Amino acid sequence: DAGVTQSPTHLIKTRGQQVTLRCSPKSGHDTVSWYQQALGQGPQFIFQYYEEEERQRGNFPDRFSGHQFPNYSSELNVNALLLGDSALYLCASSRGPVTHEQFFGPGTRLTVL
Amino acid sequence: AQSVTQLDSHVSVSEGTPVLLRCNYSSSYSPSLFWYVQHPNKGLQLLLKYTSAATLVKGINGFEAEFKKSETSFHLTKPSAHMSDAAEYFCVVSSLISNQGGKLIFGQGTELSVKP
Repeated sequence: DAGVTQSPTHLIKTRGQQVTLRCSPKSGHDTVSWYQQALGQGPQFIFQYYEEEERQRGNFPDRFSGHQFPNYSSELNVNALLLGDSALYLCASSRGPVTHEQFFGPGTRLTVL
Repeated sequence: AQSVTQLDSHVSVSEGTPVLLRCNYSSSYSPSLFWYVQHPNKGLQLLLKYTSAATLVKGINGFEAEFKKSETSFHLTKPSAHMSDAAEYFCVVSSLISNQGGKLIFGQGTELSVKP
């Protein structure tokens, strides 16, 4: 049973560029949540997708957007990258949006130069 | 609103001695609480969870936590530390909004070091 997978594992971009990160949920899960973990900090909730719609959003600017596909996989897009966007981006999946338990992927390490 | 505060940013213990990682929570209703562990360059792994059942929760790798409503605490303990326990630990509260979804709110983390 495959767990949550994310791609790529590492990414280097320059300021002003755009980036797309990808996530495949655990088998049987239909909901994907994205978190940003800056160095030395706890993960911060970005948004959650269920039924191909954004259900909840954290305190992140509109430069952060997402998408969920019919197969439940998801993308996180960040436009106009800033140095402060450098972080580990974590994807978590769950069975339904209103649930306590989320399973995390290994993350994508984004470095903005 | 829900929040968690981890009282120690770094804890150092010797191998074979007890581990105590402290967490206080704030919640406007009965919370669901978790402890996650993150080893270097690895994803987050769930250690244990409290969801309004027994107040003493047992998790993986010998860890346990006790929910104390009167103290608004959810401290993580282990009787005897092992070198492999060295990692970052996060106390987490779940925030659910009916018909909208759920998000996890993380503490700042406690780095556990284990000395031989």
